[in-house]
Amino acid sequence: ETGVTQSPTHLIKTRGQQVTLRCSSQSGHNTVSWYQQALGQGPQFIFQYYREEENGRGNFPPRFSGLQFPNYSSELNVNALELDDSALYLCASSLGQGGINEQFFGPGTRLTVL
Amino acid sequence: AQSVTQPDIHITVSEGASLELRCNYSYGATPYLFWYVQSPGQGLQLLLKYFSGDTLVQGIKGFEAEFKRSQSSFNLRKPSVHWSDAAEYFCAVGAGRDTDKLIFGTGTRLQVFP
Repeated sequence: ETGVTQSPTHLIKTRGQQVTLRCSSQSGHNTVSWYQQALGQGPQFIFQYYREEENGRGNFPPRFSGLQFPNYSSELNVNALELDDSALYLCASSLGQGGINEQFFGPGTRLTVL
Repeated sequence: AQSVTQPDIHITVSEGASLELRCNYSYGATPYLFWYVQSPGQGLQLLLKYFSGDTLVQGIKGFEAEFKRSQSSFNLRKPSVHWSDAAEYFCAVGAGRDTDKLIFGTGTRLQVFP
């Protein structure tokens, strides 16, 4: 069974650019959540997708958007990058909604904005 | 709003010594409570979780945690630390209708000396 994978591993962008991060969920998992982890901080919830629909959003501006595909993989898009967007972006997949379903985290994508 | 506090930013212990990492949460009712571990370059791995029932929870890698409602705490313990336990530890809560949209603490970095 393949775990959660994310691509790319590292990424360097400049202010104002746009970026797309990708996440492949664990086999059979229909729910994907995205988190932002700034240096020295705990992860912060960005949003969650359940069966291709957004299912909850944290305190992030609209320039953070996402998609979930029929195979339940997911993308995180960030427009108009700012320096503060530099962080580790984690995705997590689970069998369904609710905290009773364990979330399995990927290794993350390290984004640096210059 | 829910919040999580991990008062200890950095803890150093000797191998074989006991360990307790502190976690306090703020929420009106009993939330779902989690402890995750993050090793360098790795995603988050779930150590244990509490939803209800027995307040002493056993997890993987010899860890346990105790939920104390009166103190709004969920401290993580291990009787004898191994060098491989050196990592960052995060406490998280999920509450209300969003038990899977986790709120993380800022983490405790554990250093283990031989």
